[in-house]
Amino acid sequence: AQKITQTQPGMFVQEKEAVTLDCTYDTSDPSYGLFWYKQPSSGEMIFLIYQGSYDQQNATEGRYSLNFQKARKSANLVISASQLGDSAMYFCAMRERPTGFQKLVFGTGTRLLVSP
Amino acid sequence: GAVVSQHPSRVICKSGTSVKIECRSLDFQATTMFWYRQFPKKSLMLMATSNEGSKATYEQGVEKDKFLINHASLTLSTLTVTSAHPEDSSFYICSAPIPDREAEKLFFGSGTQLSVL
Repeated sequence: AQKITQTQPGMFVQEKEAVTLDCTYDTSDPSYGLFWYKQPSSGEMIFLIYQGSYDQQNATEGRYSLNFQKARKSANLVISASQLGDSAMYFCAMRERPTGFQKLVFGTGTRLLVSP
Repeated sequence: GAVVSQHPSRVICKSGTSVKIECRSLDFQATTMFWYRQFPKKSLMLMATSNEGSKATYEQGVEKDKFLINHASLTLSTLTVTSAHPEDSSFYICSAPIPDREAEKLFFGSGTQLSVL
């Protein structure tokens, strides 16, 4: 069964606008962590934001925020005030424990294109 | 700055040769590192977990004799693609967990694009 689902292969947004990238997950473990990574054309994976399953508040990191809806098992990434440099692939990932060295399972990614 | 350093960033080799990729943790010790493989326009797939001082743990379907992993020190893990063939051409990327106030977070190297001719 798909652990992480990203249903948007591609998204377009105009510069300075906000955009939401969808991510749903599937786990029976009550203790898990959710990640978002950005992969520009250079290939590196850049850590953006993390949400633990027990965190009461949605995670925020600068222009990035994670809309965590536990009952719906969704962890959407919101990028506010998009910039041209935000154009990249974005991957949602899950680790089925918030702590400890557990492997990440990745979604298929969403390609974001920011236009001037 | 980068906390995980990976080299080389790009390598082209002839079929049948072996290629070594290095992954170093900078300014921290990593008893565990992870090696991922990414096909063009696809997601990352975990290949193996590298454990310092012990054998690597391979994911199902990954040939351990083809992809040799050595984690000889707390800051260095290497992936050697032995007798490379064109089907081994891919993007390989390593990661290491860094303890954080909330939870261990995985940081990635810059990746290695392997092209086997």
